[in-house]
Amino acid sequence: DGGITQSPKYLFRKEGQNVTLSCEQNLNHDAMYWYRQDPGQGLRLIYYSQIVNDFQKGDIAEGYSVSREKKESFPLTVTSAQKNPTAFYLCASSISQNSNQPQHFGDGTRLSIL
Amino acid sequence: AQSVTQLDSQVPVFEEAPVELRCNYSSSVSVYLFWYVQYPNQGLQLLLKYLSGSTLVKGINGFEAEFNKSQTSFHLRKPSVHISDTAEYFCARDGGNTPLVFGKGTRLSVIA
Repeated sequence: DGGITQSPKYLFRKEGQNVTLSCEQNLNHDAMYWYRQDPGQGLRLIYYSQIVNDFQKGDIAEGYSVSREKKESFPLTVTSAQKNPTAFYLCASSISQNSNQPQHFGDGTRLSIL
Repeated sequence: AQSVTQLDSQVPVFEEAPVELRCNYSSSVSVYLFWYVQYPNQGLQLLLKYLSGSTLVKGINGFEAEFNKSQTSFHLRKPSVHISDTAEYFCARDGGNTPLVFGKGTRLSVIA
């Protein structure tokens, strides 16, 4: 079945460490997205990518970095510069970034600080 | 910038009662609207979408939504809820040249 796979499901980080969250899709979608979800705040856009080797900052990009070397993969690195990284992270994709296209979501990665 | 407002952060309702989750969106010449559902510790799943045409949109799990251009609303309804409908619901609209814009969510709690 086609879908989006996020791994790991739970991730723990020590202070000062960088961690990378994986997102892989086999839907042949061009566009991919990363969101951060905190209780009561909905989804906030971190980064998005419309095509391979291109990505744009979202609303809360500070302390995060991404790469898009393959169409299927859009990993997110949470750097030590992100001072409050504890959150639920969601990856999504869509056929294109045309405004009438819905997004398809993975099951998320929950990141916690030790 | 486009915006979406979900008017209720929490909605408790008894099982088999009807429910309406309210959503208002920022006005624009054209708009595409979506409702998603999120069960605990999972991603979002598309319930329904409005792109054009009929203002009453039917989705999965017995949900429907009505597009109201004059009131800039896209409220989600279900005539009879089940315990399994307990979840968080997100309204979203297109961002124009940017990705979808999401509301902050409404937590639906169905009480037995």
